Amino acid sequence: AQSVTQLDSHVSVSEGTPVLLRCNYSSSYSPSLFWYVQHPNKGLQLLLKYTSAATLVKGINGFEAEFKKSETSFHLTKPSAHMSDAAEYFCVGPGGAGSYQLTFGKGTKLSVIP
Amino acid sequence: DAGITQSPRHKVTETGTPVTLRCHQTENHRYMYWYRQDPGHGLRLIHYSYGVKDTDKGEVSDGYSVSRSKTEDFLLTLESATSSQTSVYFCAIRKALSTENSPLHFGNGTRLTVT
Repeated sequence: AQSVTQLDSHVSVSEGTPVLLRCNYSSSYSPSLFWYVQHPNKGLQLLLKYTSAATLVKGINGFEAEFKKSETSFHLTKPSAHMSDAAEYFCVGPGGAGSYQLTFGKGTKLSVIP
Repeated sequence: DAGITQSPRHKVTETGTPVTLRCHQTENHRYMYWYRQDPGHGLRLIHYSYGVKDTDKGEVSDGYSVSRSKTEDFLLTLESATSSQTSVYFCAIRKALSTENSPLHFGNGTRLTVT
C-alpha cells in the first residue's frame, strides 16, 4: 500500500531560524504530493502542492518544498521561522488503489520559541 | 472557498445511538471524502465518493456507512456509535482528477463526542 511518513512528530525552532519538516513517500509512479497546515482549533489549509513542472515548489507564507525522486522525499522548508508558523503540518500523498485516495502523514507539530 | 458546509459542527451522543453527519457542497464537484482526525494519527480516510451512488471504503471504514444520493450531499452515518468514534470529522472535496495534482479542500469539521 502507498504510504506517507513524516519523520518527526515534533520540531522546535527558535524564531528567525530555518525550519525543516521531513516527509517521505512510497509510490511507484509520479505522485500527487501536498503539504497542509492546521493552526490550533482550526481547519486545514493548503500550503503547497507538487507538480511535475518543477522540483522546487513555492507555497504560501514563505514555505517551499523540494521533490527528490531518488530519495522519495518531499521535505518542507522555510528560511526564517515566525511565531505565527507554530502549527501542525501534514504531508499528503497517494494512498490506496488508483488516484482517488490521498493519505496523510501523522503530522509534525512545529513549535517556535521566541 | 470551495463552498463546503458540514453539519452539525458539534455533537454529543450516547453509545449505541445512530449518528449522521452531513457534508454539503455548492460547486457540484464529483469527488468527496470523509476523514477523521485523532491525535497522533493525522487524518485517516473513512469513505469516499467518486459520483452519485458511487462510494468506496477507506482505511478506517468499520462502523461507518455513507450515502450520496445527490452530487451536493455526502452523508456519513455511524450505525451504533462507540466511544472509539469520538473524533473530529472532516469532509473534503477534490475538484478534478484530470487536473494535475488536484488538492483536497476541506470543510470546517464536526467535533463528535460519544459518551
